[in-house]
Amino acid sequence: NAGVTQTPKFRILKIGQSMTLQCTQDMNHNYMYWYRQDPGMGLKLIYYSVGAGITDKGEVPNGYNVSRSTTEDFPLRLELAAPSQTSVYFCASSLDRPKGYGYTFGSGTRLTVV
Amino acid sequence: ELKVEQNPLFLSMQEGKNYTIYCNYSTTSDRLYWYRQDPGKSLESLFVLLSNGAVKQEGRLMASLDTKARLSTLHITAAVHDLSATYFCAGLLKNTDKLIFGTGTRLQVFP
Repeated sequence: NAGVTQTPKFRILKIGQSMTLQCTQDMNHNYMYWYRQDPGMGLKLIYYSVGAGITDKGEVPNGYNVSRSTTEDFPLRLELAAPSQTSVYFCASSLDRPKGYGYTFGSGTRLTVV
Repeated sequence: ELKVEQNPLFLSMQEGKNYTIYCNYSTTSDRLYWYRQDPGKSLESLFVLLSNGAVKQEGRLMASLDTKARLSTLHITAAVHDLSATYFCAGLLKNTDKLIFGTGTRLQVFP
């Protein structure tokens, strides 16, 4: 199994540009998450989803959008990139919260907005 | 909202020594997770603590959870260089699916 796959691994955007960070998992996990990690900091939750068609805001949702049309995919959209969105973005998934499963993280996307 | 605080933020320790990383959280959490992150890498799951008094051990690392004190600890026994990494705790906000992370503890083990 590939686990959680994120693409691209690196990207440089100009201010005002848009892009979609892709996240896909092949473990049939219901729960999926997007986090951002600023240099030397912890992870901040952007959006999460508990199943196809269901999404909810996390701690820092402004400037981002998500969709969950399938169980496997959870793309993160940046509409108008700003320098404050320079960060490393991690996607994660989990089978089922109530059973206490751990979360599997992708390898991350390093985004720079200039 | 759940706030998760770790201390210390940075820990430099000698090989062979013992130390504890503390993770306090501000409100009721269903469960507590510990992760390890190597520089430039993703996060690796270490422990999931599901109930009060839970203790889990793997090698030189032992994690525990005290839900009454809203405290989890990660104890390092006889540290070795390979344990150098950043360690994060994360709490699941009760009755939600929000997993909230602490700021991390950067551990450096030197000879």
